[in-house]
Amino acid sequence: GAGVSQSPSNKVTEKGKDVELRCDPISGHTALYWYRQSLGQGLEFLIYFQGNSAPDKSGLPSDRFSAERTGGSVSTLTIQRTQQEDSAVYLCASSLKGVGSNQPQHFGDGTRLSIL
Amino acid sequence: AQTVTQSQPEMSVQEAETVTLSCTYDTSESDYYLFWYKQPPSRQMILVIRQEAYKQQNATENRFSVNFQKAAKSFSLKISDSQLGDAAMYFCACRTGANSKLTFGKGITLSVRP
Repeated sequence: GAGVSQSPSNKVTEKGKDVELRCDPISGHTALYWYRQSLGQGLEFLIYFQGNSAPDKSGLPSDRFSAERTGGSVSTLTIQRTQQEDSAVYLCASSLKGVGSNQPQHFGDGTRLSIL
Repeated sequence: AQTVTQSQPEMSVQEAETVTLSCTYDTSESDYYLFWYKQPPSRQMILVIRQEAYKQQNATENRFSVNFQKAAKSFSLKISDSQLGDAAMYFCACRTGANSKLTFGKGITLSVRP
């Protein structure tokens, strides 16, 4: 597709369950980012992948959160043992380059995660 | 680390009028970029305009322009001839050259009155 694709669009799960969120970036984009947007708040950085370099995990809020990017393309964000405070919209973005570039980040429509 | 502050939670403008959305930022880096993103109810973040800190000239994109005051660390967005489709949340964001992540403000909800 032409844009960043995220799935599922919405996810409702019970507290304590694990969830996986998927992001398919724009073809050719080497940089991929995950952000979290809590209700009424701005976006909070979670993790950043650039090519084959080690990811910047400095924004992950706890060790329950992890992410991987296979083959330099699709990324999966995993939240283990979900808590109610994990409820938010999770947005993925991609760009042509990472550090030192003024290339803008293009965002997907996000996954709305609701923890019961 | 950088911070971005949007102190106005909501604003309203009459259709066809002009509105200015405020943003201030703080960073110790000399190489950075500033952005305004629009987020309609569809949730997708749409880039409105961007400004490189080393450029003195204010960026413009059709009806959208910025007032970049580097010394004051201010980066406001002006929307001219407001349209109903401009109604959305607007986020100001900063990215330094050394770190590709975006730091966002809390956003402002803009409503447009017909």
